[in-house]
Amino acid sequence: GEDVEQSLFLSVREGDSSVINCTYTDSSSTYLYWYKQEPGAGLQLLTYIFSNMDMKQDQRLTVLLNKKDKHLSLRIADTQTGDSAIYFCADRGSTLGRLYFGRGTQLTVWP
Amino acid sequence: GAVVSQHPSRVICKSGTSVKIECRSLDFQATTMFWYRQFPKQSLMLMATSNEGSKATYEQGVEKDKFLINHASLTLSTLTVTSAHPEDSSFYICSALPGTGAHGADTQYFGPGTRLTVL
Repeated sequence: GEDVEQSLFLSVREGDSSVINCTYTDSSSTYLYWYKQEPGAGLQLLTYIFSNMDMKQDQRLTVLLNKKDKHLSLRIADTQTGDSAIYFCADRGSTLGRLYFGRGTQLTVWP
Repeated sequence: GAVVSQHPSRVICKSGTSVKIECRSLDFQATTMFWYRQFPKQSLMLMATSNEGSKATYEQGVEKDKFLINHASLTLSTLTVTSAHPEDSSFYICSALPGTGAHGADTQYFGPGTRLTVL
């Protein structure tokens, strides 16, 4: 199956920007997603990007996609302590609905 | 919109008993639902794909006789862990695929998860 890789940990100070990186192997990806998981909870869809886009911005969130390098990033501007959570990158496989997840990046925001 | 609920949120049972977990799409119909399992500090592992009105498709290595899935309606799928053992203790998360909607047909919406502890 497809591989999705993420760094496991990221720590930033409140007010700084956070950048979470993800790489994937599937060259036929159509959608790529970012989900947020808070402790003991399910996954909350943050944003997604279609493979023919390079960038998508939604309030404090900016997603960059480099399809050539199969690299996806999520930038959170003005990071707050409430942003502390695990962030999952997910790649939609060729089968409708089938998602391949990275292991998640634990974001810790220090006051 | 696009809310998915799970029930129960937490269950503790004795070894050898069966546990049923419900996944409901509250404000949309979902022809396809997915069941995932998540170990501590690990990613989500897809267990099976549940299609309304047909048999579930299980991922390699997942025992279909142990993890029974029923997708009886367009808003409800159930996962039954039969003869549960301590190694089945985990966080089980479902998701639902609306087919249509603001985020596109491919976007899965996740339930809050069910924490299963088998003693």
